[in-house]
Amino acid sequence: DGGITQSPKYLFRKEGQNVTLSCEQNLNHDAMYWYRQDPGQGLRLIYYSQIVNDFQKGDIAEGYSVSREKKESFPLTVTSAQKNPTAFYLCASSMVTGANVLTFGAGSRLTVL
Amino acid sequence: DQQVKQNSPSLSVQEGRISILNCDYTNSMFDYFLWYKKYPAEGPTFLISISSIKDKNEDGRFTVFLNKSAKHLSLHIVPSQPGDSAVYFCAASDPNAGGTSYGKLTFGQGTILTVHP
Repeated sequence: DGGITQSPKYLFRKEGQNVTLSCEQNLNHDAMYWYRQDPGQGLRLIYYSQIVNDFQKGDIAEGYSVSREKKESFPLTVTSAQKNPTAFYLCASSMVTGANVLTFGAGSRLTVL
Repeated sequence: DQQVKQNSPSLSVQEGRISILNCDYTNSMFDYFLWYKKYPAEGPTFLISISSIKDKNEDGRFTVFLNKSAKHLSLHIVPSQPGDSAVYFCAASDPNAGGTSYGKLTFGQGTILTVHP
């Protein structure tokens, strides 16, 4: 089955530590995205990538970093510079032509202790 | 600046009745609108969409209406079923949002729909 796999599903981190969230897709989609969801707020775009070895900042990129070395993979690193990292993180992918329909993964919940 | 707003945090409906979820937007450059459905601890799944050149799109029990002059869209679910209970997000796309807009969706805050048996 084609889809997006995010891991880990739950992650706990101490303040000051960097953590990396994994996102893998087998949909052959060119574009991949990271969104963050907080209670009572919509999904906010962190980073996106439309092609391998290229990525762009979204609306809330500060304190995050990404890489896109393979078409299938788009890991997100939450650095210690991110002031409020506790959130639900969603990875998505899409074609780069046609309608803007994103396919989302199941999400990763990060809690900073 | 919230460009997409869902002003009703929650909605409760009896099974078999109509559910109407509303969404307002402020950016007149948005040209494509989507609704996503999300269950707890899962990613959102695409439900239905509408282009700005249309005012209605229907798919089974789901219909989305777009009123461009009012910058308002709504999702109608009829008849509502208990399995429809979820969080519903509306989202919009602006083709001029820097380079390509693909995937750069602006989401509303979501509305929790509860359908009672």
